[in-house]
Amino acid sequence: GAVVSQHPSRVICKSGTSVKIECRSLDFQATTMFWYRQFPKKSLMLMATSNEGSKATYEQGVEKDKFLINHASLTLSTLTVTSAHPEDSSFYICSADAGAFNYGYTFGSGTRLTVV
Amino acid sequence: SQELEQSPQSLIVQEGKNLTINCTSSKTLYGLYWYKQKYGEGLIFLMMLQKGGEEKSHEKITAKLDEKKQQSSLHITASQPSHAGIYLCGADRSNYQLIWGAGTKLIIKP
Repeated sequence: GAVVSQHPSRVICKSGTSVKIECRSLDFQATTMFWYRQFPKKSLMLMATSNEGSKATYEQGVEKDKFLINHASLTLSTLTVTSAHPEDSSFYICSADAGAFNYGYTFGSGTRLTVV
Repeated sequence: SQELEQSPQSLIVQEGKNLTINCTSSKTLYGLYWYKQKYGEGLIFLMMLQKGGEEKSHEKITAKLDEKKQQSSLHITASQPSHAGIYLCGADRSNYQLIWGAGTKLIIKP
């Protein structure tokens, strides 16, 4: 149990276009999901905390208008990178709260975004 | 399937006891990261290992990377309730390609 599906695993897009990444909890409801980004040779950075039915909480330095997060249901959170630029190329990973009963978090497999 | 094998999947340890979590790959790793996630919080970066044989410590947590750079272990000495959480290893396989372990759920019994 407690599986998180992240899609797509890889995406290449042109500069100026938008890309949507989905994070789904397959067998549990997740009121909270986290979105991370990893820069080359650096540790994972928390971008934002996504809460079902309310606005996401963004970490300092993360552009809210560029990285749109929507958590409209208890099983789906989406991250949209708007007007993507090459510097947005990165590895994005989501994590979902599986609840106190399952004790802990489950991670998606990540999305590698390449902006050309 | 996970390219990084992390074991055990879950662990229940009596407070005060030592424990070890392992992270293994069949291929050489260029960087190995250890993270921790506590309930209600995001991932916390613990340590990064890059060199074969490297060992780093932070308080009661020690992480090692073997000489072949294919296996890392995270060792906690005299565990405390604050150590409870999910431990996740991540690694650089080659230039800018990341892989992840499935995580280890650690519960500390008082």
